[in-house]
Amino acid sequence: SQQGEEDPQALSIQEGENATMNCSYKTSINNLQWYRQNSGRGLVHLILIRSNEREKHSGRLRVTLDTSKKSSSLLITASRAADTASYFCATAGSSGNTPLVFGKGTRLSVIA
Amino acid sequence: DTEVTQTPKHLVMGMTNKKSLKCEQHMGHRAMYWYKQKAKKPPELMFVYSYEKLSINESVPSRFSPECPNSSLLNLHLHALQPEDSALYLCASSQERRGITGELFFGEGSRLTVL
Repeated sequence: SQQGEEDPQALSIQEGENATMNCSYKTSINNLQWYRQNSGRGLVHLILIRSNEREKHSGRLRVTLDTSKKSSSLLITASRAADTASYFCATAGSSGNTPLVFGKGTRLSVIA
Repeated sequence: DTEVTQTPKHLVMGMTNKKSLKCEQHMGHRAMYWYKQKAKKPPELMFVYSYEKLSINESVPSRFSPECPNSSLLNLHLHALQPEDSALYLCASSQERRGITGELFFGEGSRLTVL
């Protein structure tokens, strides 16, 4: 299975601190994506990083990808209470017609 | 228009009922997906449609029957469900790029309760 495994499963930080979540996967990928989900709502796409990229930024988000270690990290800087959500990594396989597979997710709580 | 719209938002049904979940997108996406999500778990893929044809069925029981009547609509027909089928059902769409999955756009989900 190429399913990503996030760690930690849960993370609680103070507002203004940085939050780092990690994702590991098992097989070769075309891209890796991060999604956010507020409780009971749909998922929102945050960022996509391709297998030939090492780092990507979007606003307060920084994603790194290490294909040799089959791992990725998501850093949220200067966190806000509104960042409280579950965060999932998802991998798209490198061969055709392989669907996106989601990891178990990290539940982030940002305390004001 | 970047929305994926799912109806109904909530559905309660008995084990003998027949109901349907509906999903609509107008982004011109040719790949559409159904995911099932239980509480505190990741979404699990059920079905993928590519150009209105079923391309992936992840061994889903036949009591779930997908249908893609056109490129904008995706239905999930439900019949004789079990209480363990209670979950959040998420529809998503994406551009079709030679089988490689890019960004998914999700609806807000349909919360299903089977009594």
